[in-house]
Amino acid sequence: EAGVAQSPRYKIIEKRQSVAFWCNPISGHATLYWYQQILGQGPKLLIQFQNNGVVDDSQLPKDRFSAERLKGVDSTLKIQPAKLEDSAVYLCASSRGGTDTQYFGPGTRLTVL
Amino acid sequence: AQSVTQLGSHVSVSEGALVLLRCNYSSSVPPYLFWYVQYPNQGLQLLLKYTSAATLVKGINGFEAEFKKSETSFHLTKPSAHMSDAAEYFCAVDGGATNKLIFGTGTLLAVQP
Repeated sequence: EAGVAQSPRYKIIEKRQSVAFWCNPISGHATLYWYQQILGQGPKLLIQFQNNGVVDDSQLPKDRFSAERLKGVDSTLKIQPAKLEDSAVYLCASSRGGTDTQYFGPGTRLTVL
Repeated sequence: AQSVTQLGSHVSVSEGALVLLRCNYSSSVPPYLFWYVQYPNQGLQLLLKYTSAATLVKGINGFEAEFKKSETSFHLTKPSAHMSDAAEYFCAVDGGATNKLIFGTGTLLAVQP
Protein backbone atom coordinates (compact mmCIF):
# COMPACT_ATOMS: atom_id res chain seq x y z
CA GLU A 1 0.00 0.00 0.00
CA ALA A 2 1.13 3.56 -0.61
CA GLY A 3 2.65 5.39 2.33
CA VAL A 4 1.96 8.83 3.73
CA ALA A 5 2.66 11.48 1.10
CA GLN A 6 3.83 15.00 1.87
CA SER A 7 4.67 18.00 -0.26
CA PRO A 8 6.71 19.99 -0.76
CA ARG A 9 9.79 18.21 0.57
CA TYR A 10 11.72 21.43 1.04
CA LYS A 11 10.68 25.06 1.41
CA ILE A 12 12.69 28.22 2.01
CA ILE A 13 10.87 31.44 2.88
CA GLU A 14 11.57 34.82 4.43
CA LYS A 15 10.25 35.61 7.90
CA ARG A 16 6.75 37.08 7.93
CA GLN A 17 5.84 35.18 4.75
CA SER A 18 3.22 32.46 4.73
CA VAL A 19 3.63 28.81 3.80
CA ALA A 20 1.44 25.74 3.47
CA PHE A 21 2.19 22.04 3.67
CA TRP A 22 0.10 19.20 2.32
CA CYS A 23 -0.35 15.65 3.58
CA ASN A 24 -2.14 12.66 2.09
CA PRO A 25 -2.48 9.85 4.64
CA ILE A 26 -2.62 6.13 4.01
CA SER A 27 -5.97 5.17 2.55
CA GLY A 28 -8.51 4.29 5.21
CA HIS A 29 -6.58 5.84 8.09
CA ALA A 30 -8.95 7.85 10.24
CA THR A 31 -6.38 9.58 12.41
CA LEU A 32 -3.91 12.13 11.09
CA TYR A 33 -1.14 13.84 13.04
CA TRP A 34 1.13 16.82 12.34
CA TYR A 35 4.43 16.87 14.25
CA GLN A 36 7.12 19.55 14.35
CA GLN A 37 10.72 18.35 14.59
CA ILE A 38 13.24 21.06 15.41
CA LEU A 39 16.89 20.20 14.73
CA GLY A 40 18.33 18.18 17.59
CA GLN A 41 14.96 17.42 19.15
CA GLY A 42 12.34 14.73 18.92
CA PRO A 43 9.10 15.34 17.07
CA LYS A 44 6.42 17.26 18.96
CA LEU A 45 2.72 16.92 18.21
CA LEU A 46 1.11 20.05 16.82
CA ILE A 47 -2.37 18.78 15.98
CA GLN A 48 -4.28 15.51 15.75
CA PHE A 49 -7.39 14.86 13.65
CA GLN A 50 -9.88 12.04 13.95
CA ASN A 51 -11.59 12.01 10.56
CA ASN A 52 -12.19 15.74 10.00
CA GLY A 53 -12.47 16.71 13.67
CA VAL A 54 -9.67 18.05 15.88
CA VAL A 55 -8.77 15.76 18.79
CA ASP A 56 -5.78 17.63 20.20
CA ASP A 57 -4.33 21.00 19.21
CA SER A 58 -3.03 22.01 22.61
CA GLN A 59 0.51 22.64 21.34
CA LEU A 60 -0.44 24.39 18.12
CA PRO A 61 0.54 28.12 18.15
CA LYS A 62 -2.87 29.22 17.04
CA ASP A 63 -1.90 32.84 16.48
CA ARG A 64 0.12 31.79 13.44
CA PHE A 65 -0.52 28.12 12.70
CA SER A 66 -3.70 26.63 11.30
CA ALA A 67 -4.62 23.22 9.97
CA GLU A 68 -7.59 21.62 8.34
CA ARG A 69 -8.64 18.20 7.17
CA LEU A 70 -11.57 18.68 4.87
CA LYS A 71 -13.53 15.53 4.02
CA GLY A 72 -11.44 13.58 6.51
CA VAL A 73 -8.69 12.66 4.05
CA ASP A 74 -6.00 15.16 2.97
CA SER A 75 -4.75 17.80 5.34
CA THR A 76 -2.98 21.13 5.06
CA LEU A 77 -0.92 22.91 7.70
CA LYS A 78 -0.38 26.64 7.28
CA ILE A 79 1.94 29.11 8.96
CA GLN A 80 1.18 32.82 8.65
CA PRO A 81 3.32 34.77 9.32
CA ALA A 82 6.41 32.60 9.71
CA LYS A 83 9.08 33.28 12.32
CA LEU A 84 12.72 32.21 12.36
CA GLU A 85 11.98 29.69 15.11
CA ASP A 86 9.53 27.87 12.82
CA SER A 87 12.48 26.41 10.92
CA ALA A 88 11.96 22.67 11.37
CA VAL A 89 10.86 19.49 9.68
CA TYR A 90 7.09 19.08 9.63
CA LEU A 91 6.06 15.45 9.75
CA CYS A 92 2.66 14.06 8.94
CA ALA A 93 1.60 10.67 10.28
CA SER A 94 -1.54 8.59 10.03
CA SER A 95 -3.05 5.57 11.75
CA ARG A 96 -6.28 3.58 11.85
CA GLY A 97 -6.89 5.11 15.26
CA GLY A 98 -6.56 4.23 18.93
CA THR A 99 -3.23 2.55 19.71
CA ASP A 100 -2.65 1.48 16.11
CA THR A 101 0.82 2.14 14.71
CA GLN A 102 1.48 5.63 13.38
CA TYR A 103 3.05 5.71 9.92
CA PHE A 104 5.11 8.75 9.04
CA GLY A 105 5.62 10.60 5.80
CA PRO A 106 9.05 11.85 4.64
CA GLY A 107 8.45 15.33 6.07
CA THR A 108 8.75 18.88 4.78
CA ARG A 109 11.92 20.73 5.74
CA LEU A 110 11.13 24.42 6.27
CA THR A 111 13.86 27.05 6.46
CA VAL A 112 12.82 30.55 7.51
CA LEU A 113 15.41 33.24 6.69
CA ALA B 1 2.38 13.13 32.48
CA GLN B 2 4.23 10.69 30.28
CA SER B 3 7.80 11.34 29.16
CA VAL B 4 10.90 9.53 27.93
CA THR B 5 14.57 10.27 28.42
CA GLN B 6 17.21 9.01 26.04
CA LEU B 7 20.68 8.78 27.53
CA GLY B 8 23.42 9.67 25.07
CA SER B 9 22.71 11.88 22.10
CA HIS B 10 25.53 10.22 20.13
CA VAL B 11 26.62 6.59 20.24
CA SER B 12 29.43 5.15 18.12
CA VAL B 13 30.08 1.43 17.70
CA SER B 14 32.23 -0.69 15.45
CA GLU B 15 30.68 -2.85 12.79
CA GLY B 16 29.82 -6.21 14.36
CA ALA B 17 29.71 -4.84 17.91
CA LEU B 18 26.73 -4.78 20.24
CA VAL B 19 24.36 -1.84 19.89
CA LEU B 20 22.77 -0.54 23.11
CA LEU B 21 20.61 2.57 23.04
CA ARG B 22 19.11 3.64 26.35
CA CYS B 23 15.61 4.88 27.09
CA ASN B 24 13.92 5.51 30.42
CA TYR B 25 10.27 6.39 30.71
CA SER B 26 7.95 8.10 33.13
CA SER B 27 4.29 7.20 33.07
CA SER B 28 1.42 7.26 35.52
CA VAL B 29 -0.25 4.35 33.77
CA PRO B 30 1.09 1.14 32.18
CA PRO B 31 2.85 2.55 29.13
CA TYR B 32 2.89 1.70 25.49
CA LEU B 33 6.48 2.24 24.33
CA PHE B 34 8.00 2.55 20.89
CA TRP B 35 11.32 2.75 19.11
CA TYR B 36 11.46 4.55 15.77
CA VAL B 37 14.39 4.95 13.38
CA GLN B 38 14.98 7.95 11.13
CA TYR B 39 17.38 7.79 8.21
CA PRO B 40 18.69 11.06 6.74
CA ASN B 41 16.01 13.08 4.96
CA GLN B 42 13.37 10.47 5.65
CA GLY B 43 10.41 10.11 7.96
CA LEU B 44 10.29 7.87 11.01
CA GLN B 45 9.95 4.12 10.67
CA LEU B 46 8.67 1.93 13.48
CA LEU B 47 11.25 -0.58 14.74
CA LEU B 48 9.19 -2.14 17.50
CA LYS B 49 6.55 -1.46 20.12
CA TYR B 50 5.66 -2.71 23.59
CA THR B 51 1.97 -3.00 24.39
CA SER B 52 2.02 -4.88 27.73
CA ALA B 53 2.29 -8.37 26.29
CA ALA B 54 5.75 -9.98 26.32
CA THR B 55 8.43 -7.87 28.02
CA LEU B 56 11.01 -8.76 25.36
CA VAL B 57 9.94 -7.27 22.07
CA LYS B 58 11.51 -8.20 18.77
CA GLY B 59 11.45 -5.75 15.91
CA ILE B 60 12.69 -5.34 12.40
CA ASN B 61 16.31 -5.46 11.24
CA GLY B 62 17.41 -7.63 14.18
CA PHE B 63 16.59 -5.08 16.90
CA GLU B 64 14.91 -5.94 20.17
CA ALA B 65 14.00 -4.12 23.37
CA GLU B 66 13.20 -5.26 26.88
CA PHE B 67 10.60 -3.58 29.07
CA LYS B 68 11.80 -3.44 32.69
CA LYS B 69 9.19 -1.96 34.98
CA SER B 70 11.47 -1.99 38.04
CA GLU B 71 14.00 0.15 36.18
CA THR B 72 11.45 2.12 34.12
CA SER B 73 13.58 1.31 31.11
CA PHE B 74 13.06 0.21 27.52
CA HIS B 75 16.57 -0.10 26.08
CA LEU B 76 17.11 -1.02 22.43
CA THR B 77 19.70 -3.62 21.50
CA LYS B 78 21.14 -5.40 18.49
CA PRO B 79 23.80 -8.09 18.85
CA SER B 80 25.84 -7.10 15.81
CA ALA B 81 25.85 -3.65 14.20
CA HIS B 82 25.79 -3.18 10.44
CA MET B 83 26.85 -0.10 8.55
CA SER B 84 23.25 0.28 7.42
CA ASP B 85 22.15 0.77 11.05
CA ALA B 86 23.66 4.26 11.10
CA ALA B 87 20.69 6.55 11.72
CA GLU B 88 18.91 8.45 14.46
CA TYR B 89 16.80 6.45 16.90
CA PHE B 90 13.86 7.81 18.88
CA CYS B 91 12.17 6.31 21.90
CA ALA B 92 8.54 7.32 22.40
CA VAL B 93 5.70 6.74 24.83
CA ASP B 94 1.99 6.80 24.14
CA GLY B 95 0.70 10.05 25.55
CA GLY B 96 -2.54 8.69 26.97
CA ALA B 97 -6.13 9.40 26.01
CA THR B 98 -5.44 10.72 22.52
CA ASN B 99 -2.63 8.23 21.76
CA LYS B 100 -0.26 10.96 20.64
CA LEU B 101 3.41 9.99 20.76
CA ILE B 102 5.78 11.76 23.12
CA PHE B 103 9.31 11.42 21.81
CA GLY B 104 12.72 11.55 23.39
CA THR B 105 15.45 13.78 21.99
CA GLY B 106 16.95 11.00 19.91
CA THR B 107 20.24 9.11 19.75
CA LEU B 108 22.41 9.35 16.67
CA LEU B 109 24.08 6.00 16.03
CA ALA B 110 27.33 5.94 14.07
CA VAL B 111 28.79 2.62 12.90
CA GLN B 112 32.52 2.55 12.24
CA PRO B 113 34.04 0.08 9.76
